[in-house]
Amino acid sequence: SQQGEEDPQALSIQEGENATMNCSYKTSINNLQWYRQNSGRGLVHLILIRSNEREKHSGRLRVTLDTSKKSSSLLITASRAADTASYFCATENEGFKTIFGAGTRLFVKA
Amino acid sequence: NAGVTQTPKFQVLKTGQSMTLQCAQDMNHNSMYWYRQDPGMGLRLIYYSASEGTTDKGEVPNGYNVSRLNKREFSLRLESAAPSQTSVYFCASSVIPGGTEAFFGQGTRLTVV
Repeated sequence: SQQGEEDPQALSIQEGENATMNCSYKTSINNLQWYRQNSGRGLVHLILIRSNEREKHSGRLRVTLDTSKKSSSLLITASRAADTASYFCATENEGFKTIFGAGTRLFVKA
Repeated sequence: NAGVTQTPKFQVLKTGQSMTLQCAQDMNHNSMYWYRQDPGMGLRLIYYSASEGTTDKGEVPNGYNVSRLNKREFSLRLESAAPSQTSVYFCASSVIPGGTEAFFGQGTRLTVV
């Protein structure tokens, strides 16, 4: 079974707009990571947030984590056509197993 | 640096055939993983190796075996392929088992007919 579930499943926005994706999970975690996957390619790591952190930034990315609600969000600001990809959250549980959600497909129109 | 290299990139098998997917990393990572990705789903962990000499089952290990040949290489074997194993397979590695990012290969697209 999958631990993380992303919402929405698909998102279409205009270039320059912000994109927000959410991830909910079911059990306690050590950390949560976000990955990007371009069509037909492997996953690329974006950001890791630990269970004792609430917010993290990396360039145009902002990730929040609410362990009381078992949820996380990924915000991409000032989106670009090159941000078109699928985005996955991945939760690491006890035993260091990393479980991926089904992903959000983001399409940024130029 | 090549990172994580998977071979082959594409493979078509007949039901019942066997094959081994190869994975090698040149980053001196301790941990390696095999995932499968099916349409509309995220990655599901098949097996992982926290360190050289150890392997453990993931979420969906049935029908697969693995070998951590050395620190660099982690292979995935399908002994008797089934159509349900049609998928894209990804190998990944990380410095340590937890708390760090994983680096992924480009994937092997396997079709079992």
